[in-house]
Amino acid sequence: EIVMTQSPATLSVSPGDRATLSCRASQSVSSNLAWYQQKPGQAPRLLIYDASTRATGISARFSGSGSGTEFTLTISSLQSEDFAVYYCQQYDNWPPRLTFGGGTKVEIK
Amino acid sequence: QVQLVESGGGVVQPGRSLRLSCAASGFTFRTYGMHWVRQAPGKGLEWLAVISFDGDNKYYANSVKGRFAISRDNSKHTLYLQMNSLRAGDTAVYFCAKDGAVADHYFDYWGQGTLVTVSS
Repeated sequence: EIVMTQSPATLSVSPGDRATLSCRASQSVSSNLAWYQQKPGQAPRLLIYDASTRATGISARFSGSGSGTEFTLTISSLQSEDFAVYYCQQYDNWPPRLTFGGGTKVEIK
Repeated sequence: QVQLVESGGGVVQPGRSLRLSCAASGFTFRTYGMHWVRQAPGKGLEWLAVISFDGDNKYYANSVKGRFAISRDNSKHTLYLQMNSLRAGDTAVYFCAKDGAVADHYFDYWGQGTLVTVSS
């Protein structure tokens, strides 16, 4: 199983600041990585797929980078609606054994 | 617009069975793979199972293999999850989710989830 490790577990950020979230895979997943945002009581929402492609309707504040085992989600200027939990997910292996990271909670500083 | 609506959750005793449903609309259901993902209270996301667009191929997480079964009825635009031998550790919100692209297993749409509580 490919283990996904996210850091930090909690990130305290002031509105308007930049947030940088990390995701590491235990083995290469190429660019087969997605990022999701989840707010309390809601389903996750797709932000980024293929490591760096923004999903439909996602603000340009969100950007993804990386390949292989190291990935980053950057939120350029945090808005109030961006405070949430963020998950990475790999979809590289076959047969599918999809795995998520443990999540990073972005909270207001 | 794409809609996924889960149903069938509730309180069930350990060892019993439950079947979840996910009604899909707003896209060509028969052309996309579909998944089940769960989230235990206060915890992260856990992928459970995927079924191919035609229902011919199914894959499971080790944690549920042999106990859970994913299926679909393309004529009814509905996805199912049959859960047997339920345990307390299966208590979670269960989400259905749609493949983002053919043969790419990220999830571009999710249902709102249905809560399953396994308790005596």
